[in-house]
Amino acid sequence: DTGVSQDPRHKITKRGQNVTFRCDPISEHNRLYWYRQTLGQGPEFLTYFQNEAQLEKSRLLSDRFSAERPKGSFSTLEIQRTEQGDSAMYLCASSLVERRGETQYFGPGTRLLVL
Amino acid sequence: QKEVEQNSGPLSVPEGAIASLNCTYSDRGSQSFFWYRQYSGKSPELIMSIYSNGDKEDGRFTAQLNKASQYVSLLIRDSQPSDSATYLCAATGGYQKVTFGTGTKLQVIP
Repeated sequence: DTGVSQDPRHKITKRGQNVTFRCDPISEHNRLYWYRQTLGQGPEFLTYFQNEAQLEKSRLLSDRFSAERPKGSFSTLEIQRTEQGDSAMYLCASSLVERRGETQYFGPGTRLLVL
Repeated sequence: QKEVEQNSGPLSVPEGAIASLNCTYSDRGSQSFFWYRQYSGKSPELIMSIYSNGDKEDGRFTAQLNKASQYVSLLIRDSQPSDSATYLCAATGGYQKVTFGTGTKLQVIP
């Protein structure tokens, strides 16, 4: 257990429905990342926050995806009007950024299946 | 675009052998390098970090960094079937976000 938690761990939804995932990072960490991972691929960057500011959002991310990190603590990732292609593992990671870089610790992930 | 590249494998080694996993990176500003292990269906788990040129050993794992050649490697000695997993290389530097490779699948054959 890295100290990063995600909820829910599994989600099955029907195409067209909205889903929301939550990530609780390690408390002293100032960065929080969202990734998507499909079978046989490495983690695909979606977006990240430093404190409450969203610093970058992947150009591959459609407008159906939105993320928030109110008050710089937990974060939510919402997918609107889900499509079958959204089926994947959604990973959250947190880190404490320092001058030489950062070390990321991952949560257990949320596995999404869109029917 | 900053990239981290790995051979996707699978890399197959017999039990007890040394497994050698390699990674190259494009951003010369990268200062910190990481190896993560990911079992099928699970999230990545940090196993090694390295910041300076040379070798860093931790149990059966040795990370090697060569900044001049821009490569990082991970050696696993006395490979066990439980080491069978996908190994992800990652790099970061300064305040840039972490970049991951696509991972190398390792199979340790009993």
